[in-house]
Amino acid sequence: KNQVEQSPQSLIILEGKNCTLQCNYTVSPFSNLRWYKQDTGRGPVSLTIMTFSENTKSNGRYTATLDADTKQSSLHITASQLSDSASYICVVSDGNDMRFGAGTRLTVKP
Amino acid sequence: DAMVIQNPRYQVTQFGKPVTLSCSQTLNHNVMYWYQQKSSQAPKLLFHYYDKDFNNEADTPDNFQSRRPNTSFCFLDIRSPGLGDAAMYLCATSRTGTAYGYTFGSGTRLTVV
Repeated sequence: KNQVEQSPQSLIILEGKNCTLQCNYTVSPFSNLRWYKQDTGRGPVSLTIMTFSENTKSNGRYTATLDADTKQSSLHITASQLSDSASYICVVSDGNDMRFGAGTRLTVKP
Repeated sequence: DAMVIQNPRYQVTQFGKPVTLSCSQTLNHNVMYWYQQKSSQAPKLLFHYYDKDFNNEADTPDNFQSRRPNTSFCFLDIRSPGLGDAAMYLCATSRTGTAYGYTFGSGTRLTVV
């Protein structure tokens, strides 16, 4: 079983709408959690990184939250744009290894 | 700008014909990784170099080899590509310890015909 589970697997929204992507993990011990955006045919690009003591981190229209007690994280995208269409990958580190989620494929339609 | 560069972006190779993918970095990171990513799947770690020390994942096929001649460059060699090796290959770098996260290259899309 993957130690990092993301939901939904795919999501379609209209331009301008908000959306929230989920990441649940069982990785232990916990070092940090990152959200990456991966455009089709490109490498992942880091959006946010959070350590144990951080509950929320923003990067423009992207806001990530972390609940280390329940081992859940979310990525909220505000006022979506067509360029937000991509896969969003949650990656959790135990301090030595990085564990990747399978990603959420987001499609933003006009 | 400091970055991780992968060449080529797209590579087509024949079944069984050796192929080499390259990765270079200007970040002076001491750790370099090679990942294989198939469609709609999470990247799968193949191996990594911690400085000059090579670390192979247990389930990485022998068909995959790597070389790191210096800090800046790392190569992925596929000795006899099969159809199942068609994938996106991602190179990533990091400073010591994963607390700093990774910087990824843009990837090389490998097609096997």
